[in-house]
Amino acid sequence: AQSVTQLDSQVPVFEEAPVELRCNYSSSVSVYLFWYVQYPNQGLQLLLKYLSGSTLVKGINGFEAEFNKSQTSFHLRKPSVHISDTAEYFCAVSDGRSGANNLFFGTGTRLTVIP
Amino acid sequence: GAGVSQSPRYKVAKRGQDVALRCDPISGHVSLFWYQQALGQGPEFLTYFQNEAQLDKSGLPSDRFFAERPEGSVSTLKIQRTQQEDSAVYLCASSSPGPPYEQYFGPGTRLTVT
Repeated sequence: AQSVTQLDSQVPVFEEAPVELRCNYSSSVSVYLFWYVQYPNQGLQLLLKYLSGSTLVKGINGFEAEFNKSQTSFHLRKPSVHISDTAEYFCAVSDGRSGANNLFFGTGTRLTVIP
Repeated sequence: GAGVSQSPRYKVAKRGQDVALRCDPISGHVSLFWYQQALGQGPEFLTYFQNEAQLDKSGLPSDRFFAERPEGSVSTLKIQRTQQEDSAVYLCASSSPGPPYEQYFGPGTRLTVT
């Protein structure tokens, strides 16, 4: 089975500063990795995903993440945050051996951008 | 369709009542997933359909939870004899077969059991 650990439950950061949200996973098989964002009272929106290939993945809204197999990590980064980035961020993993599979989510990181 | 829709958006039930939550997936998406998100937690998998077949229901917490998708499109999650611990947001997601395996989520139904 897969599991995800998001070490930081809350991350405050000033506007225009860089941010990194950490994600580590455990799995005995190959995995697909995802980052989702959740705004208040809304569903989850996909930011980016890693399936295979280049380990540096670029997503929407200026976010990027790097897959590090040796460290089993998939940290999310943005060089300069905006007020509108304030939201809950979830890292998720699924079994990469076959097709559509359920996602295993971390407990989330609340990003708060301070003006 | 424009996206995954869920209804109702909010549901208040008295303990012991039965509830039914509806999910309309994106047209053409054969895979449908239900997740439960407790307050302050990440979503947790409940069950998975491929067309009308329920291929995985390992995440359903008890036999009070039942899901169906009789025609391979709309799905209903039913909870019988609701308990306070059932209070959560129930999320539905759909995806197309094959890569990139992206799941599109609906806005969720917030269930409060009093």
